[in-house]
Amino acid sequence: GAVVSQHPSWVICKSGTSVKIECRSLDFQATTMFWYRQFPKQSLMLMATSNEGSKATYEQGVEKDKFLINHASLTLSTLTVTSAHPEDSSFYICSANLAGRSYEQYFGPGTRLTVT
Amino acid sequence: AQKITQTQPGMFVQEKEAVTLDCTYDTSDPSYGLFWYKQPSSGEMIFLIYQGSYDQQNATEGRYSLNFQKARKSANLVISASQLGDSAMYFCAMRELTRDDKIIFGKGTRLHILP
Repeated sequence: GAVVSQHPSWVICKSGTSVKIECRSLDFQATTMFWYRQFPKQSLMLMATSNEGSKATYEQGVEKDKFLINHASLTLSTLTVTSAHPEDSSFYICSANLAGRSYEQYFGPGTRLTVT
Repeated sequence: AQKITQTQPGMFVQEKEAVTLDCTYDTSDPSYGLFWYKQPSSGEMIFLIYQGSYDQQNATEGRYSLNFQKARKSANLVISASQLGDSAMYFCAMRELTRDDKIIFGKGTRLHILP
């Protein structure tokens, strides 16, 4: 099956700094990628839909200036958490659609962010 | 309003028994897809099974089957002959196909398989 990777798998950063998380589709092109966050023992919450070559669409309540999303190519989307605070500590997961096959969505392994 | 409802926060099942995880959904979109994912403690999301709203037959994938009752808006996951490795978090999810491509998840059910 199709593979989605995320980098880094875990990161610790100091409060006030920014951290970038990469999501790559390794063997397919993804015009659309999705970013989720998951707090411990909770479900995945969709943050935004990332479209190649255009601005991301953010879900209600998600600060677009804090969570910057860039989908510069058909295989790469990045999520930058700006001026991170301890409450941003979470598990961030990306997913990507196989073009033309909307029922197939592949998830990355996730990135665990800890802000100290 | 919640679009995906999983009413069982946790379940304990004896190994080798069958288990049913409940999921109900709410949509006015005639074209939608229903998913089940497994999330072990490692955090990765593992796709288990998919059911399209127009599919006539219930989806099956090995030990997994989806009991799709469209009129009741129900999409329960059935795992036959449970194994210790089935212990994980299970999420039901839905995509409304004529609206957008995003998948919305339920709150999940934590399944514990007992030896």
